[in-house]
Amino acid sequence: AQSVTQLGSHVSVSEGALVLLRCNYSSSVPPYLFWYVQYPNQGLQLLLKYTSAATLVKGINGFEAEFKKSETSFHLTKPSAHMSDAAEYFCAVSEGDSSYKLIFGSGTRLLVRP
Amino acid sequence: EAQVTQNPRYLITVTGKKLTVTCSQNMNHEYMSWYRQDPGLGLRQIYYSMNVEVTDKGDVPEGYKVSRKEKRNFPLILESPSPNQTSLYFCASSLSRTDSSYNSPLHFGNGTRLTVT
Repeated sequence: AQSVTQLGSHVSVSEGALVLLRCNYSSSVPPYLFWYVQYPNQGLQLLLKYTSAATLVKGINGFEAEFKKSETSFHLTKPSAHMSDAAEYFCAVSEGDSSYKLIFGSGTRLLVRP
Repeated sequence: EAQVTQNPRYLITVTGKKLTVTCSQNMNHEYMSWYRQDPGLGLRQIYYSMNVEVTDKGDVPEGYKVSRKEKRNFPLILESPSPNQTSLYFCASSLSRTDSSYNSPLHFGNGTRLTVT
């Protein structure tokens, strides 16, 4: 069965510092992986997705994530945090071959200090 | 503008009083789904629909009903709400969830915050 673990319910960084949000997955088949962002009082928006093409995936707003099969990880990074990046971030996994479900992690709230 | 619209945004009700949360999308999406979001638990799927008149249970369907009579609408019905259904609810849709367009992203509504007292 597939599952997603996000390490750290809260991550705090200074403006301009590196952002690293961790995601580990469990899947019995090659997975499809996603990062979504949720700004206050809004629904989730897709940041980026991995679908077995390049292992380094670039998303919107300067975010990127690297798929590492050996580590079963899909960590999200951004070189320099901006105040507007403060939000909650969700990693999600979906298995190939007729699986219709996205399994979401518990979320990581990113706080950006001035 | 392409969007998923949920109503109402906020709802306070009492135990046992039937309610419906509406969801409508204008993107001609086949797939629609309901999630609930609770602190520390992320998003959990309640029900989903692959197309008109095709619905199926997600991970936490107890206490909820859905219907899909039209492609654009996917209402969530709580026949007899209880306090443990107090949560933030999201409707989402995507073009399809079949293999050929498997990675089509989900589009989310802005959420409905439900409080059951």
